Parts: sequence; structure tokens; C-alpha cells
Amino acid sequence: ILNVEQSPQSLHVQEGDSTNFTCSFPSSNFYALHWYRWETAKSPEALFVMTLNGDEKKKGRISATLNTKEGYSYLYIKGSQPEDSATYLCAFEGSGGSNYKLTFGKGTLLTVNP
Amino acid sequence: SQTIHQWPATLVQPVGSPLSLECTVEGTSNPNLYWYRQAAGRGLQLLFYSVGIGQISSEVPQNLSASRPQDRQFILSSKKLLLSDSGFYLCAWSVWGPGKETQYFGPGTRLLVL
Repeated sequence: ILNVEQSPQSLHVQEGDSTNFTCSFPSSNFYALHWYRWETAKSPEALFVMTLNGDEKKKGRISATLNTKEGYSYLYIKGSQPEDSATYLCAFEGSGGSNYKLTFGKGTLLTVNP
Repeated sequence: SQTIHQWPATLVQPVGSPLSLECTVEGTSNPNLYWYRQAAGRGLQLLFYSVGIGQISSEVPQNLSASRPQDRQFILSSKKLLLSDSGFYLCAWSVWGPGKETQYFGPGTRLLVL
């Protein structure tokens, strides 16, 4: 059973604060690491896919880094806004027999207070 | 552009009743299709995936079954619902390719079994 852990489970920040959270995953049989944003009453929406150790991706105020050797990824949000409030999910994509499948973490629920 | 539909949006069913949830995708051919469930307080759990018509892989032993009668149609069923089947059910699709396994989610069905 693959173990994909996210921390913290939930986070409250003030508007304008920068924040980050963590996803840890198996370092063996790694193929890709995905980040999704899941807003209440909407579908999960893909943010990033990262495949190489040291990868960094950025989309506006949100960025992510990847360390495949130690099995973790960070998601950063700079200058949080209330519209950033959502659950942020990471998902591990393995190689070999686990192709086509993503194993999701339980997510980090971010609440940005105005 | 591709779109994914799920219905119904909400369902309240008595224990022991049957279930049929439908998912259809438009704008793409031969997608991989997935059923996920999020139970209360838990992460997204992959239930079934399909890489082609009539090809279904089950991830966890359970009270549910899936079928893919057409290329872009994926159905989740049960003959007799259990209380533990309550949750939020998401259908997703992707195109083939390890490391390109970004999945696109439907709007979801909230199922409450009483």
C-alpha cells in the first residue's frame, strides 16, 4: 500500500501571509508528483505535474518544488488571498505496474481569512 | 474542448437499495476513466479504473461494481447499498501516458445512505 502523507491537515492564515505545506511520498518507483486544488462545491483542478528531481513549477502566486530522492514536495503560496481557500491535494504516480493510477494524500485544507 | 458529466449531483438512498451513478466524457477518445470516493474525514480513494471498453480494474474489495459499456461512459453500481457506501463520488478521465497522468474530474455525486 502506497503511503502519501500531507501536512498539515489544515491551516488558517491571514490575507497577505505566505504559506507552504508538504507532501511526502515513496522515493522508489517514482514517476510523477501531481498537485491539485479542490475548492468547495467544485471539482479538483490540476495545478502542477512534476517528474524530475529538483523540478520547480510556478503558476501565479503558487509554486511547487520536488525532491524525489527524499520523497517530498512543497507547495508555496505567496501573499495568500481568500480565493486561495481550498483543499490542496498531492498525488503520487508510480512507474511500472502502477501506471494510470494516482495515489492521493488526504489533502491540506487552507483557509485564508480576509 | 473536453467535458465530463456526472449525475445525479445528490442522492439519498435507503440501505439495501440499488445504485447506479453515471459518468460521460465528451471531446476525447479512448480515455482512461476512474471512479473515486471520498468518505467523511478521509482522502480520495480510487475505486475502479478502466483503460478501455469492458476493461475494469478494481482497487479495493467492496460492495460496488463498475462497467464501461461505451468508450466514454463509465457506470458505478451496487445491488444493495450499505451505510458505509455514503460519500462523495468523483469520476475522472485522463489520456494515456505515464508522467502525463493529469486527471480531470467531474462535478461529483454526493451519496447519503440512510
